Amino acid sequence: GQSLEQPSEVTAVEGAIVQINCTYQTSGFYGLSWYQQHDGGAPTFLSYNALDGLEETGRFSSFLSRSDSYGYLLLQELQMKDSASYFCAVSSRSNDYKLSFGAGTTVTVRA
Amino acid sequence: DSGVTQTPKHLITATGQRVTLRCSPRSGDLSVYWYQQSLDQGLQFLIQYYNGEERAKGNILERFSAQQFPDLHSELNLSSLELGDSALYFCASSLKAGSYGYTFGSGTRLTVV
Repeated sequence: GQSLEQPSEVTAVEGAIVQINCTYQTSGFYGLSWYQQHDGGAPTFLSYNALDGLEETGRFSSFLSRSDSYGYLLLQELQMKDSASYFCAVSSRSNDYKLSFGAGTTVTVRA
Repeated sequence: DSGVTQTPKHLITATGQRVTLRCSPRSGDLSVYWYQQSLDQGLQFLIQYYNGEERAKGNILERFSAQQFPDLHSELNLSSLELGDSALYFCASSLKAGSYGYTFGSGTRLTVV
């Protein structure tokens, strides 16, 4: 099966930088995705890494190290609207490529 | 509007009852996924359909069943409901079975009393 670990909570002030780490265990790893979910709302896709390295999308960046089974989501220039839960999700060949989600990290942005 | 439509948005029902949740995928998407999210928990995969066929099953209870119809909409049936079934149920869709970018619907909040 798959297992993912990410911190449960992170708090930061507006304008700061937050890094959410995600470590995973799975066989046949294919890629790591990140999703954002505002309180009770629909999760929305943020980023995807299949190869080692950094992917940048505006204020958000995602990194993957396949050899370390590790990735992170970097949130820069934090804004109040970034307060949400962030989930890493792994897809693997052994799991028919469907997404298995971590428990999520709640990010709270303070003024 | 994500393009994935889920109905109803809210559902309150008694223990022992049966409910049906409906999902219409984004136009053009062939794969539909159902996830359960209990309070302050992650998204637990229930079941996946691709172009009308069951593709993968997660830890879905035997009391739960689903299907995808020829027009690609999907229904999740929950029966003999228990208090612990209270949760948000999300439907997501993607173009292909192996896509990583799912589009989620706004969910159905089920409360079993």
